This record gives sequence, structure tokens and C-alpha cells, in this order.
Amino acid sequence: IAGITQAPTSQILAAGRRMTLRCTQDMRHNAMYWYRQDLGLGLRLIHYSNTAGTTGKGEVPDGYSVSRANTDDFPLTLASAVPSQTSVYFCASSDSTSGVHTQYFGPGTRLTVL
Amino acid sequence: KQEVTQIPAALSVPEGENLVLNCSFTDSAIYNLQWFRQDPGKGLTSLLLIQSSQREQTSGRLNASLDKSSGRSTLYIAASQPGDSATYLCAVSFLTGGGNKLTFGTGTQLKVEL
Repeated sequence: IAGITQAPTSQILAAGRRMTLRCTQDMRHNAMYWYRQDLGLGLRLIHYSNTAGTTGKGEVPDGYSVSRANTDDFPLTLASAVPSQTSVYFCASSDSTSGVHTQYFGPGTRLTVL
Repeated sequence: KQEVTQIPAALSVPEGENLVLNCSFTDSAIYNLQWFRQDPGKGLTSLLLIQSSQREQTSGRLNASLDKSSGRSTLYIAASQPGDSATYLCAVSFLTGGGNKLTFGTGTQLKVEL
């Protein structure tokens, strides 16, 4: 693989169910991010991780949790999904140690909560 | 609240025309600014990144400029082609965000017609 992969590509989920969106990068980037994209609102940061073992909250963290056990993986978990979490979710990564911070994005996961 | 605005929301031009996309931001204390391209149903592709110390960056037919004092960036596309049709997103990394968290505009949807 090259770059960032996300799984699943799309998912329909019943409200109240637990769901984990997966994200894996093979660029050895230290920083990773989760965004959601909604029509009219653009992309908003949910959570981020500057390095393995650390995480931080973005603009819209409520209802989501993340973990960063290693450099390559950054899963996003919805503990109890609600319809307002229907969105397209993008994972991204960057090499912040380079001082440049270009972010590279995965193909996205389209999530529908009914 | 730090905000990023892109005007117009949509733009249609004939093939071969030179065009300018605009991005404005509310806080001049930025780390960098990125321009992305997004095709329908796809992830984001980084086009150009301008560091706060730079005034412009060029890649092929694309030229991005940055004026921190006025809170503005422009993306210039020369000799537009139908393949340039996509949504163009501007994203700013503000210094208060730690340098690697992006705030996105809502994008300009560009259509280049034959």
C-alpha cells in the first residue's frame, strides 16, 4: 500500500450502535488527524495525534474517541452512533518534524446513521 | 473564532481562461496555508503549501500567493482545462492551533467548460 487507507469505504449504521473507522498510513508520519465533511460546513477537525501515544481534541470531538497505539494506525470510534454523525470522514497524516506540515488525506469513509 | 472564507462558492469558465480563486482568513498569525483539490466522491489532494514566511508557491500551471497582513491568499490557474474541474479548498494552520491543525474554507466548485 502507498499513502493512507481507510476502511470501510461506506457504512450504514443503526443509531445506538458502536462503530470503529480504521485508518492506516505507510509514510511513517508522526501526526495523524480525523476530519468530518458536511455539506455547507466544510471539513472540521475531530481529533488529532501529534505522535504515537498522544491524542488531542479538535473542533468537534463530542461523541468520538481515538487511540494511537503505534505510528501507522489511528482508529476513530463512535461509541453510540447518532444520526447527526452521518457524514464523510477523512483521515490525514503529516510529517510535522519536517517543519512543513503538508497533510495527506485518505479516500474517506461515508457513514450513514439511521 | 478563527475562520477561513472562500468566495465564490462556485465558478464556471470556458476552457483556456486564466482564473483566480480567493481565500481569506481572520487571523494573520498563521503557520502555513494549503490549497487542496477535491474531486466528487474522493479525498483531498494537496496542491500547494505556503509557509508563513513565503509570498508565493508555484507548481505547473498553479500559482498560490499569500498576503498575511491582509489575511488573503489566491490560487491562480493558468490556461484552464476541463480536467481542472473540481472543488478547491483552502486550509489555514493558525499559530494558536499548534502549527498542524487545519481550519478549512467551504471551497470553490470550479467547472471548466469546453
